[in-house]
Amino acid sequence: SQQGEEDPQALSIQEGENATMNCSYKTSINNLQWYRQNSGRGLVHLILIRSNEREKHSGRLRVTLDTSKKSSSLLITASRAADTASYFCATDESGGYNKLIFGAGTRLAVHP
Amino acid sequence: KAGVTQTPRYLIKTRGQQVTLSCSPISGHRSVSWYQQTPGQGLQFLFEYFSETQRNKGNFPGRFSGRQFSNSRSEMNVSTLELGDSALYLCASSPGTGGGGYTFGSGTRLTVV
Repeated sequence: SQQGEEDPQALSIQEGENATMNCSYKTSINNLQWYRQNSGRGLVHLILIRSNEREKHSGRLRVTLDTSKKSSSLLITASRAADTASYFCATDESGGYNKLIFGAGTRLAVHP
Repeated sequence: KAGVTQTPRYLIKTRGQQVTLSCSPISGHRSVSWYQQTPGQGLQFLFEYFSETQRNKGNFPGRFSGRQFSNSRSEMNVSTLELGDSALYLCASSPGTGGGGYTFGSGTRLTVV
């Protein structure tokens, strides 16, 4: 079963705007990762945040992690049409061997 | 370096048949894990192999099986196919030591008719 939920399920914005997606999970984790998927193709790893980290940046991406609330957020700044995709959070559970538990995903549409 | 290669890209099978999917991980990576993606259930973990040993298994029936070869290439097999097995099957490659990100292949789209 899926680890948790993501919201919103869908997000539609204009180019240049920021997009924020949220993810909740249920168990103790080693790390939380975000992936992008374009049109039912493979997943692309975006960023990983460890359980002892609170915030991480990579280019236009900013990820936060609140382990007390078991939640994370992904912020994409200055969105581009090319950012249109589905975004998934995935948790790597404590004690688990290379087993990712995925959220349901957020479908992001960025309009030119 | 080459990415993760999954073959075939598309497959159409009939109910009751069996199917074998292949995944070649990134050179040097010893772990291959498999996921099933469907519109209804989302992305679900199937199993993970490291150095030819299954280390972890998801909650799927015994019709789903896999193996890993000495060169780290992995295959998954689904026997007695059901309509509900129609899905995108993704494999992920990693060094296997845990704690890092994964590199996914482009997937195999299986349609059962």
